[in-house]
Amino acid sequence: AQSVTQLDSHVSVSEGTPVLLRCNYSSSYSPSLFWYVQHPNKGLQLLLKYTSAATLVKGINGFEAEFKKSETSFHLTKPSAHMSDAAEYFCVVSRGPGGSYIPTFGRGTSLIVHP
Amino acid sequence: ETGVTQTPRHLVMGMTNKKSLKCEQHLGHNAMYWYKQSAKKPLELMFVYNFKEQTENNSVPSRFSPECPNSSHLFLHLHTLQPEDSALYLCASSQDHATAYGYTFGSGTRLTVV
Repeated sequence: AQSVTQLDSHVSVSEGTPVLLRCNYSSSYSPSLFWYVQHPNKGLQLLLKYTSAATLVKGINGFEAEFKKSETSFHLTKPSAHMSDAAEYFCVVSRGPGGSYIPTFGRGTSLIVHP
Repeated sequence: ETGVTQTPRHLVMGMTNKKSLKCEQHLGHNAMYWYKQSAKKPLELMFVYNFKEQTENNSVPSRFSPECPNSSHLFLHLHTLQPEDSALYLCASSQDHATAYGYTFGSGTRLTVV
């Protein structure tokens, strides 16, 4: 069984300040973990993924996430928010290669960026 | 464009209508998926096709009927829908059904059932 919890439904930051979007997961197996972004009226775009290689994963648009097994977390960060980062962000867990492939999506975190 | 194209972008249909959603990818992917995204609810997996074979039907009502004629095309046939079926329907593809590779999503079809 697997689950993912995005701890905040909304996060509000000012442009130029750091972004932290929190995600905790539960998995009976070594997980694969993903972050996706969805801009209004668009599909989901893959930001980054962790698949048992380096625990610090760098993605597109300056985002990165760190896999912390001891804390079962995969938080998404960015040093400096830009107005264009305003969107919905989804954390996703799946069992990983060779296992049950059905991914579980979090409920999403809405990132609001103020000028 | 992501490489996954969905048409139409918007669709309004009555409860007695029959319509189809189309998804097309030319990424060389072998797995394709239909997801339903409703307001205030998590993304719901509906159907999975791997090498044109349906491998998952996530307890979807029979008024939704998928079709995958080849690895590049996926359809969702709709008939006698209910107002609660109004949602954003997203198509996705991946290298195969092992999600370690991640999905590529289309922009979705916004469906309104009246």
